[in-house]
Amino acid sequence: GAGVSQSPRYKVAKRGQDVALRCDPISGHVSLFWYQQALGQGPEFLTYFQNEAQLDKSGLPSDRFFAERPEGSVSTLKIQRTQQEDSAVYLCASSFRTVGGSEQFFGPGTRLTVL
Amino acid sequence: DAKTTQPTSMDCAEGRAANLPCNHSTISGNEYVYWYRQIHSQGPQYIIHGLKNNETNEMASLIITEDRKSSTLILPHATLRDTAVYYCIVSPGVGNTGFQKLVFGTGTRLLVSP
Repeated sequence: GAGVSQSPRYKVAKRGQDVALRCDPISGHVSLFWYQQALGQGPEFLTYFQNEAQLDKSGLPSDRFFAERPEGSVSTLKIQRTQQEDSAVYLCASSFRTVGGSEQFFGPGTRLTVL
Repeated sequence: DAKTTQPTSMDCAEGRAANLPCNHSTISGNEYVYWYRQIHSQGPQYIIHGLKNNETNEMASLIITEDRKSSTLILPHATLRDTAVYYCIVSPGVGNTGFQKLVFGTGTRLLVSP
């Protein structure tokens, strides 16, 4: 079956431009996560959705970052007025909501380069 | 603020067992031990998780010490395709909210050679 997909896979933006990154989770997955991965580092949590509700956005680095999931399926991460420090791989993950431990399924990521 | 400690890198010969250690001395009673791996240019991939009992699946085995302060991921017959960064993560169970933030460290870079 289809896994988590993300688009575009690569994005080059000039500093100051706005970008939108898309995530298509696995069908039926309630939970959706966004992570940011800088070069040579592990992924860092950005935000979490349960269906359409954004329950945690504590990892968003600034108010230039905005995420939405209006219908509880596809999610978009938007970055306004991009800066060079925003250059990273942005990963999306989804999971079932279960009691106890659960597995997150990750997409391939979008590599953002800000010039 | 990852709560685990892993060696930076390890080598393993193809066909041999790869044993990846992880220290998590501050783990609390409701926290699970998760292992993910990330092959170059791909998203992380779930491997296995456990609470206090040893676990085995088609990919690997997870051995957790009785005091739960450390664990070992075992790949029984490593192949070249197992070359990746392996992350050990401790995280509470999902509970009723479905929210389980994964806190990744820098992981162990495993190189499997012919």
